[in-house]
Amino acid sequence: GAVVSQHPSWVICKSGTSVKIECRSLDFQATTMFWYRQFPKQSLMLMATSNEGSKATYEQGVEKDKFLINHASLTLSTLTVTSAHPEDSSFYICSAERGGAGETQYFGPGTRLLVL
Amino acid sequence: QQQVKQSPQSLIVQKGGISIINCAYENTAFDYFPWYQQFPGKGPALLIAIRPDVSEKKEGRFTISFNKSAKQFSLHIMDSQPGDSATYFCAALNDYKLSFGAGTTVTVRA
Repeated sequence: GAVVSQHPSWVICKSGTSVKIECRSLDFQATTMFWYRQFPKQSLMLMATSNEGSKATYEQGVEKDKFLINHASLTLSTLTVTSAHPEDSSFYICSAERGGAGETQYFGPGTRLLVL
Repeated sequence: QQQVKQSPQSLIVQKGGISIINCAYENTAFDYFPWYQQFPGKGPALLIAIRPDVSEKKEGRFTISFNKSAKQFSLHIMDSQPGDSATYFCAALNDYKLSFGAGTTVTVRA
């Protein structure tokens, strides 16, 4: 159990377009989901915390108008990269938390975004 | 700024050998320390985790050693296998948020 999926697994888009990435917890409900960003051969950096039914909490330095997060249900959170630019190209990974204390985070397989 | 410092950046070990990865932290508010394994192009998967009131935890070939006074913890992979070749991240949890180390790429030579 505890499977998290992401869609799409990879996406290529033109500069200036918007891209939506979905994160789903398939077999459990997740009140809290997290979005991370990972550049090649680097660590995961937390972008934002997404809580069902409320506004996301963004980490310092992350533009909330650029990275729109919606946690519409207990099994779905979406990240929309608006007006994407080449520097937004990265590996985006979500995690869904089960348990309520932040400890048990199950990670999705990631979405690779390439902006041309 | 990296709140959790991880070393080495990479290591090569022979099959059957022991891989050791070290992490250190400063924030004493961290209260949970997981280790993740990540294969290229995949999301990280939880390997093993420890709380600061425990000095050692073992699960199969993976062992965490934790030194609270030194604010250091380490992962030992015993009897390393080629399938263990991956990037390993230590992490620390505070207030629902995980802070990750920089990662260690482990290569196990057959």
